[in-house]
Amino acid sequence: GAVVSQHPSWVICKSGTSVKIECRSLDFQATTMFWYRQFPKQSLMLMATSNEGSKATYEQGVEKDKFLINHASLTLSTLTVTSAHPEDSSFYICSAREGLAGGPVTGELFFGEGSRLTVL
Amino acid sequence: GEDVEQSLFLSVREGDSSVINCTYTDSSSTYLYWYKQEPGAGLQLLTYIFSNMDMKQDQRLTVLLNKKDKHLSLRIADTQTGDSAIYFCAEKSPGTYKYIFGTGTRLKVLA
Repeated sequence: GAVVSQHPSWVICKSGTSVKIECRSLDFQATTMFWYRQFPKQSLMLMATSNEGSKATYEQGVEKDKFLINHASLTLSTLTVTSAHPEDSSFYICSAREGLAGGPVTGELFFGEGSRLTVL
Repeated sequence: GEDVEQSLFLSVREGDSSVINCTYTDSSSTYLYWYKQEPGAGLQLLTYIFSNMDMKQDQRLTVLLNKKDKHLSLRIADTQTGDSAIYFCAEKSPGTYKYIFGTGTRLKVLA
């Protein structure tokens, strides 16, 4: 199956700094990627939809200036948490959908391993 | 509304069957999915069912869909300790790739 890789898998940073998380589709082209946030023992909350070559679409309540998303190529999307604060500590997961050519009929999403951010 | 609900916790003995239930609200959902999440990891797709199906079986997994009641279930036969994880159901909004995830059911398999 298709593989999505996130990096880093674990990051600790000081309050006020910015952190970048990468999401890569390793063996397919992903025209659309999604970023989720998961709090402990809770479900995934969709933060934004990232489309290659265009601006991300943010879900209601998600600060776009706080969570910068860039999808500059068909295999890479990045999420930058700017001026991070302890309340931004969370597990961030990305998912990707294959491009239309040869893509799965089910619309299956492939998920990364997740990135755990801890802000001190 | 777009709420997908699951019971939070299920405990079974090794070798027994597990049944995880899910209730969704969007009757226009075209696909419904079951994902497994192991500690500290991302989500792994287990199986999916198209909305015009009632049942789908895949080795130890059986998915039942009651579209009238908007109820989805996942049965795991001969549950093993390696099945201990959190299981999420998800519905796909029609016309988009936006998934709505359930609250997750934490399955604990006792040896």
